[in-house]
Amino acid sequence: EDKVVQSPLSLVVHEGDTVTLNCSYEVTNFRSLLWYKQEKKAPTFLFMLTSSGIEKKSGRLSSILDKKELFSILNITATQTGDSAIYLCAALIQGAQKLVFGQGTRLTINP
Amino acid sequence: ETGVTQTPRHLVMGMTNKKSLKCEQHLGHNAMYWYKQSAKKPLELMFVYSLEERVENNSVPSRFSPECPNSSHLFLHLHTLQPEDSALYLCASSQDAGRDEDTQYFGPGTRLTVL
Repeated sequence: EDKVVQSPLSLVVHEGDTVTLNCSYEVTNFRSLLWYKQEKKAPTFLFMLTSSGIEKKSGRLSSILDKKELFSILNITATQTGDSAIYLCAALIQGAQKLVFGQGTRLTINP
Repeated sequence: ETGVTQTPRHLVMGMTNKKSLKCEQHLGHNAMYWYKQSAKKPLELMFVYSLEERVENNSVPSRFSPECPNSSHLFLHLHTLQPEDSALYLCASSQDAGRDEDTQYFGPGTRLTVL
């Protein structure tokens, strides 16, 4: 059974801290790993990672994929209260257009 | 603006009602999806349509009935739902079903409450 597991499930830090969110996956025919940020309702796309070891960056966010160990991390530096959200990772199954989501990490940034 | 819109944004219905959720995408995509997000559970994929043809149905109860009249519109018809069906229903679209690297874009969701 295809499975995506995120950790921690919940994280509370102070503004300015750096956080690392983890995502491990066990899926057949893996193609890519996607990260989403969900604030109130709909997830918004952050990154798609297909190649191992290549870091993708967007402002204070960065992510990398390890296809040998089957995991990805999402880093957020100099966190701000606006980063508070649920962060979802999902594995894209090759050819099937199917996303398998993890449970999400609820990140809370306190001022 | 996300490019994917959903109506209504909130819906309260009784177990004997019949209602429909609507999704519209303005991105020129060819694939559309329905997801269910319950409290404390991961997103669950319900249905996938590619070029208006259903390509995936993840063991969803028959009280949920999807309809995709064209590549821009997707409906989810609801009838005789159960209270455990209360959830956030998210619609998504992507450019090209079957293409390996593809990104799904989500609508704002419909918060459904079944009494």
